[in-house]
Amino acid sequence: AQSVTQPDIHITVSEGASLELRCNYSYGATPYLFWYVQSPGQGLQLLLKYFSGDTLVQGIKGFEAEFKRSQSSFNLRKPSVHWSDAAEYFCAVGAMLYGGSQGNLIFGKGTKLSVKP
Amino acid sequence: GAGVSQSPSNKVTEKGKDVELRCDPISGHTALYWYRQSLGQGLEFLIYFQGNSAPDKSGLPSDRFSAERTGGSVSTLTIQRTQQEDSAVYLCASSFVETQYFGPGTRLLVL
Repeated sequence: AQSVTQPDIHITVSEGASLELRCNYSYGATPYLFWYVQSPGQGLQLLLKYFSGDTLVQGIKGFEAEFKRSQSSFNLRKPSVHWSDAAEYFCAVGAMLYGGSQGNLIFGKGTKLSVKP
Repeated sequence: GAGVSQSPSNKVTEKGKDVELRCDPISGHTALYWYRQSLGQGLEFLIYFQGNSAPDKSGLPSDRFSAERTGGSVSTLTIQRTQQEDSAVYLCASSFVETQYFGPGTRLLVL
């Protein structure tokens, strides 16, 4: 079955510390991988995406993620966390359909990030 | 430019009533998706429209849920005879090719 696992429900880090959010997926086809961020009361904002090529992808707000096929993982990292990064982070997997459109996304349950001053 | 917009932002209704939720996708986006976000279930896919093709309804939880997309643009998600378990945030997304852009959602509360 297709699924995305984010093992950490809630993570607290100090401002300025490094961050790694874990994501593991199970997907039959070649996966297209995404990280989205959601602030309270807001919709989902795309942080970064991986389709092919370089397995280390850069996103907005200083985030990066590394695709590791052998581990079925797509972990999100940031070298130095800012207080404004406090939010909920969702990993998602999808596939391109015939004709170039994207099918529906399968989301993990999310990781809530708190930042200590 | 303008993003995906949804209305209303909040909706409170009584059990058994019908509700309609609206989504205005980004202009030019050919694909439109509805998802539901609830505490217990996380983010779940509901339905997907691509151009003039028949929609993928595989995620709709029951026949009380339906959606239409008029003129390849605006979409309405209708929930008939609402139940308390329908309380959730309903998110709409649109895409042109590979990336889905999400609206702010409609928070539905069924009393």
